[in-house]
Amino acid sequence: DTGVSQNPRHKITKRGQNVTFRCDPISEHNRLYWYRQTLGQGPEFLTYFQNEAQLEKSRLLSDRFSAERPKGSFSTLEIQRTEQGDSAMYLCASSSLAGGPRITDTQYFGPGTRLTVL
Amino acid sequence: AQTVTQSQPEMSVQEAETVTLSCTYDTSENNYYLFWYKQPPSRQMILVIRQEAYKQQNATENRFSVNFQKAAKSFSLKISDSQLGDTAMYFCAFMKHVGSGGSNYKLTFGKGTLLTVNP
Repeated sequence: DTGVSQNPRHKITKRGQNVTFRCDPISEHNRLYWYRQTLGQGPEFLTYFQNEAQLEKSRLLSDRFSAERPKGSFSTLEIQRTEQGDSAMYLCASSSLAGGPRITDTQYFGPGTRLTVL
Repeated sequence: AQTVTQSQPEMSVQEAETVTLSCTYDTSENNYYLFWYKQPPSRQMILVIRQEAYKQQNATENRFSVNFQKAAKSFSLKISDSQLGDTAMYFCAFMKHVGSGGSNYKLTFGKGTLLTVNP
């Protein structure tokens, strides 16, 4: 159990470019979540997966955002045609059903990917 | 929709003293979880403590304890014997209980309280 990992930790890009972030959840955690956190604010929910199925998307997730979890393990979050307003910390978290590692139904967070759009 | 309010943007406390962070929430749900997370400067979000709404007993984790008042929709965090390493942003968060229908599992966070522990 090595915790949730995210790559890259920092990403600087120019407006209009596409970026992709990766999240590796805690092993055996079947739920995976993406949040966005802007400076001085609490994280805001973007989307979540149960296994490979994307079960909910926030209205914050515009058409330029897409998330996948193809094999029910790691997940990717892609932002197309980035805008300066996309600059934020993107957090990934995972959780398990009863019997999984760590406390049931409790989300454990990764270190985040800080995106800066110039 | 649920809302979480943390009315203290910043607080400070002397090392070894006790401090209480406030959190109130609004929900029509009866079954839910409440959490306190800690986010040290430039470091990742760490779970501090969790409370199930159906449990009347307040949760405790070593120096951290909560005062959960369900009727008042209040969930404060008490940190005893404060340490320099407790300096961090603290977030209160709400989650519906599994099986309560609708948008399960997502966390709704407050805006956070920046706690500084002074030597």
